[in-house]
Amino acid sequence: SSELTQDPAVSVALGQTVRITCQGDSLRSYYASWYQQKPGQAPVLVIYDKNNRPSGIPDRFSGSSSGNTSSLTITGAQAEDEADYYCNSRDSSGNHWVFGGGTKLTVL
Amino acid sequence: EVQLVESGGGLVQPGGSLRLSCAASGFTFSNYWMHWVRQAPGKGLVWVSCITSDGSTTTYADSVKGRFTISRDNAKHTLYLQMNSLRAEDTAVYYCARDAGVGFDHWGQGTLVTVSS
Repeated sequence: SSELTQDPAVSVALGQTVRITCQGDSLRSYYASWYQQKPGQAPVLVIYDKNNRPSGIPDRFSGSSSGNTSSLTITGAQAEDEADYYCNSRDSSGNHWVFGGGTKLTVL
Repeated sequence: EVQLVESGGGLVQPGGSLRLSCAASGFTFSNYWMHWVRQAPGKGLVWVSCITSDGSTTTYADSVKGRFTISRDNAKHTLYLQMNSLRAEDTAVYYCARDAGVGFDHWGQGTLVTVSS
């Protein structure tokens, strides 16, 4: 399968913890990377290689993986974390890449 | 500072062609695989194409294979996407992105392609 499945929308209270999940067969072979996209802006890489953060990404962002599911966790969500989040990996063939459909995170 | 700057977008009629460019600076362009990713208005990210660092290997999403051609000029630090036989469903913002081997670590600001009569 070449699909990655994400919940379309998730909400979290300010300061609370939220987990965004991504499911797909290819995740049994490849780690997901995670991207944050705010309106009118280009995506930004926030997690790669299961649980690594590029420089400049707050440590409240973390990743995990088990079986065919990868997760992005935001511990102590801030108002500025409200955005669309996308997972990405190679597909099962390894020759193409695929994005999940995206999760719109609302911080209440 | 790594910079990726796309250009070449615009309005084109169905069946027409367009060539996008992505000018890279701030890093050794020839060391990196590069990708094109697109996003239709109000929709999610969709991977389009990839090219290896030396340009020897290219891959395409099924939706564009046979119509789009990715290429690069390492001497000019520039990535290209030649788009032919354009359709309304190709309307999107097109981003170029650098492949760090573990994810797309830098993105351009995007260029809008509108296919309409």
